[in-house]
Amino acid sequence: ETGVTQTPRHLVMGMTNKKSLKCEQHLGHNAMYWYKQSAKKPLELMFVYNFKEQTENNSVPSRFSPECPNSSHLFLHLHTLQPEDSALYLCASSQEGRGTYQETQYFGPGTRLLVL
Amino acid sequence: GENVEQHPSTLSVQEGDSAVIKCTYSDSASNYFPWYKQELGKGPQLIIDIRSNVGEKKDQRIAVTLNKTAKHFSLHITETQPEDSAVYFCAASISSAGGTSYGKLTFGQGTILTVHP
Repeated sequence: ETGVTQTPRHLVMGMTNKKSLKCEQHLGHNAMYWYKQSAKKPLELMFVYNFKEQTENNSVPSRFSPECPNSSHLFLHLHTLQPEDSALYLCASSQEGRGTYQETQYFGPGTRLLVL
Repeated sequence: GENVEQHPSTLSVQEGDSAVIKCTYSDSASNYFPWYKQELGKGPQLIIDIRSNVGEKKDQRIAVTLNKTAKHFSLHITETQPEDSAVYFCAASISSAGGTSYGKLTFGQGTILTVHP
C-alpha cells in the first residue's frame, strides 16, 4: 500500500450522469494530483493542488471539475462525459516545498472509468 | 513544453537476462528523472530516480544512467525475474531552484516488460 486510496475502483456511467471520484492520502503530503491514463498513451497530468490551491489545470475540459477541501482529500467531479473519457484515473500525492528538489509522487490504485 | 520518448514499447526477455529501457527528453532544464513500475490493477510505483547532479545510481538489481549532454537516461534491470514483468514508465521534470516546485512530471509512453521463466 502506498498510503493513497481511491474510490470507487471501478465506475460505469452514462453520458448524462454525474459522479465523483475520491482520493485520500495518509502521508501528510501537501500536494495532490489527478492523472488520466489511457491505453497506449502516456500518463496525462490533469490538475495539481498545492496546499489546497489549484496550481495547474492542464487544458482539461470543464466536464471535469476538481475539488480539494483539505490537504488529505481530492475529488474529481464528472458530468456529461464522453465515451473517449473512458480511462484509468490516477491520484497521486507528494511533499513539495520552496527551494526543494522534486519529491517522489505516490500513486493510488486508480479508478477504472467506463463511459457508455 | 517537455517531451519524453520511451523505447522499446514492448520487451521480452528470458529469466536471468538483463533488460534495458531507454528514454530521451527535450527540455535541457529537466533535472529530475524517476522510473515507475506499474503492475496490473495497481498505480505506478517509484522504483528508482536520478537527479542531474549524478550520472548513475544503483539499487540492487536496478540501475539508472543519465547522459545530460545527449538528453537521455536508461533503466537497467539485471538478473530479471518473472515478478519484474510489468509496465515501466520513465518521467522527467524541472525542479525550480529557489522557488516552489509543483511536481510537473512528463511521462514516457511506457514499456511492457515480460520476463519468461
